[in-house]
Amino acid sequence: AQKVTQAQTEISVVEKEDVTLDCVYETRDTTYYLFWYKQPPSGELVFLIRRNSFDEQNEISGRYSWNFQKSTSSFNFTITASQVVDSAVYFCALSDSRAAGNKLTFGGGTRVLVKP
Amino acid sequence: DTGVSQDPRHKITKRGQNVTFRCDPISEHNRLYWYRQTLGQGPEFLTYFQNEAQLEKSRLLSDRFSAERPKGSFSTLEIQRTEQGDSAMYLCASSLVGRGDDGYTFGSGTRLTVV
Repeated sequence: AQKVTQAQTEISVVEKEDVTLDCVYETRDTTYYLFWYKQPPSGELVFLIRRNSFDEQNEISGRYSWNFQKSTSSFNFTITASQVVDSAVYFCALSDSRAAGNKLTFGGGTRVLVKP
Repeated sequence: DTGVSQDPRHKITKRGQNVTFRCDPISEHNRLYWYRQTLGQGPEFLTYFQNEAQLEKSRLLSDRFSAERPKGSFSTLEIQRTEQGDSAMYLCASSLVGRGDDGYTFGSGTRLTVV
């Protein structure tokens, strides 16, 4: 069965500090996709990144970066030089080839609070 | 196209009443999903449609829940005889088969409070 674990329930930082969000996943499949979503107070889930299981290259997009480690089943997310606007709940999610319709299994989320 | 729209944004209902939510997906998207998110938790899959066919339902979807997607366009989610445990955010998402590159596009959700 698929499972996604985000062990950190809440992280509080001061603006300009870096923050890393952990995500550990479980799947029996060799083909799967990993996602990160941001959920601001408005409630809408905003897509940040999709990574497939065959692409272990780390990725950087502006202040965001992702570290995919297949050996430890982790897909961690780092926000560099955090800003107040980064305050939100962040979800890691998994979809594998057994998941009908590409449905997503989400972790419990990590709330990030960036203080000015 | 302005994305996935959900209506209403908030709904307060008395226990035992029926409620219906609507989701308008991105027009060219052929898959539509419903998820439920309770406070402090991640979203959980409820059901999905490909065009007008409902292809999978989660065990979370009790007999009191029914979803439709007539003509493969908008979708409705109805909850009959609501219970306090139904209080949650109901999220709709849509995608185009074969274009999972961006994951889904989610709507802003309908927050249901059962009193």
